[in-house]
Amino acid sequence: DIQMTQSPASLSASLGETVTIQCRASEDIYSGLAWYQQKPGKSPQLLIYGASSLQDGVPSRFSGSGSGTQYSLKISSMQTEDEGVYFCQQGLKYPFTFGSGTKLEIK
Amino acid sequence: EVQLQQSGAELVKPGASVKLSCKTSGYTFSNYYMSWLKQMPGQNIEWIGNIYGGNGGTGYNQKFKGKATLTVDKSSSTAYMDLSSLTSEDSAVYFCARDYGGYVMDAWGQGASVTVSS
Repeated sequence: DIQMTQSPASLSASLGETVTIQCRASEDIYSGLAWYQQKPGKSPQLLIYGASSLQDGVPSRFSGSGSGTQYSLKISSMQTEDEGVYFCQQGLKYPFTFGSGTKLEIK
Repeated sequence: EVQLQQSGAELVKPGASVKLSCKTSGYTFSNYYMSWLKQMPGQNIEWIGNIYGGNGGTGYNQKFKGKATLTVDKSSSTAYMDLSSLTSEDSAVYFCARDYGGYVMDAWGQGASVTVSS
C-alpha cells in the first residue's frame, strides 16, 4: 500500500498568516492527490484535487502544489473558518490511502 | 445539487451484521463510483472500497475483504454497504463519498455511526 506521511500533526496560526501543510507519498503518485478539510462532527470536504486544481466553491486562498512524492497545501491568509483537520489522500492505486491529518487552530 | 443521504446510527451486538445505505440525488448515479470510508474517533480515514454505479463493479481494500460487501440499486440511486461479524473494532463512523477518478471524492454523506456493544 502507498503510505502517506503528513506534517506537521498540529499547527497554530494567526489570522492572516500563511500556512503550509506537507504530504509525502511512499512512491510516485503522479499528482493523484487530493486535500480535504474536516470540521468536528462533519464529513470531509474536498479542497484540492489532482494536486493543484481548486474544487468549485473553495476560496482562492487555498492552493496545492507538488509532484512525484512531495506535495503541499497552502492557505495564503488564515481565517477563523479555516480551523479544522486537513487530510491528504492518494487516489492513484488501490487501496486509496490518507495521511494522518493536520489539526489547524487559530493562535 | 448533489446530495448523499446516509442511514442513521446503529447499535448492534457483537457478531451481528448491519447494512448501511447511501441514497443519492442531483446527479446521474450510474456515471460515478461510490467510495465507502471508515473513521474511528480521533483517527485517520480508511478507504474500504468502491463500487461503480453503472455495473456494480467493485474494488476493495484487502483489509476489509470479508468484512464489507458493497452493492448498488440503480433504480433508487442508492448504494449499500453490508458489514458482517461485527466486533468492537468495527465501531466507527462510516461515510459514503461520490468518487470520480479516485482522488476526487467531491461529495460526502453526513456519516453513519456504528456502535458494536452487547
